[in-house]
Amino acid sequence: ETGVTQTPRHLVMGMTNKKSLKCEQHLGHNAMYWYKQSAKKPLELMFVYSLEERVENNSVPSRFSPECPNSSHLFLHLHTLQPEDSALYLCASSRLATQNTGELFFGEGSRLTVL
Amino acid sequence: QQQVKQSPQSLIVQKGGISIINCAYENTAFDYFPWYQQFPGKGPALLIAIRPDVSEKKEGRFTISFNKSAKQFSLHIMDSQPGDSATYFCAAALGGGADGLTFGKGTHLIIQP
Repeated sequence: ETGVTQTPRHLVMGMTNKKSLKCEQHLGHNAMYWYKQSAKKPLELMFVYSLEERVENNSVPSRFSPECPNSSHLFLHLHTLQPEDSALYLCASSRLATQNTGELFFGEGSRLTVL
Repeated sequence: QQQVKQSPQSLIVQKGGISIINCAYENTAFDYFPWYQQFPGKGPALLIAIRPDVSEKKEGRFTISFNKSAKQFSLHIMDSQPGDSATYFCAAALGGGADGLTFGKGTHLIIQP
């Protein structure tokens, strides 16, 4: 186990649904990330939180809304998604960039299918 | 614009052979180059990493070779084993920080018994 837990592991939703992905880390890290993994594409960084503040938003559509209530938890709220949003969503954590070795600890991902 | 180009997309190697995966980058400001390994149903995990002040780093059967002038780096897996079958991602970062990681597209490696 990597110390990063994601739920649910699988999610199927319609385009009009609202759902949330949850991530929890037990490593004492203070930076958390959401990545999107699609087939034959590089891992795409979506959001970065450092000390519970969003520090990066890579032009992600507003139908994806992140929330970081504390340094151990990260959510990705989903609403009115499109079929092309179907992908594996990976959560990761690390120590702060000024201290860390650049190592990300990933969860096992949430496989999202949008019908 | 893809800043880290990885090849090949897929690779089949016989057990005991050498697996070689290549990456090229564009941004000369990158100063941290990790490789991540991902098994089916799992998230990526750091395998080995190098900084540009050295040309090679070895950890067990895994070696990174780094060519700063060519802006290329590669992963070599010696004595490849079926358990090495996975998807491998190279990445590059600015300032050694995880928040700046740019990943390649990945290489699906199969080691045949």
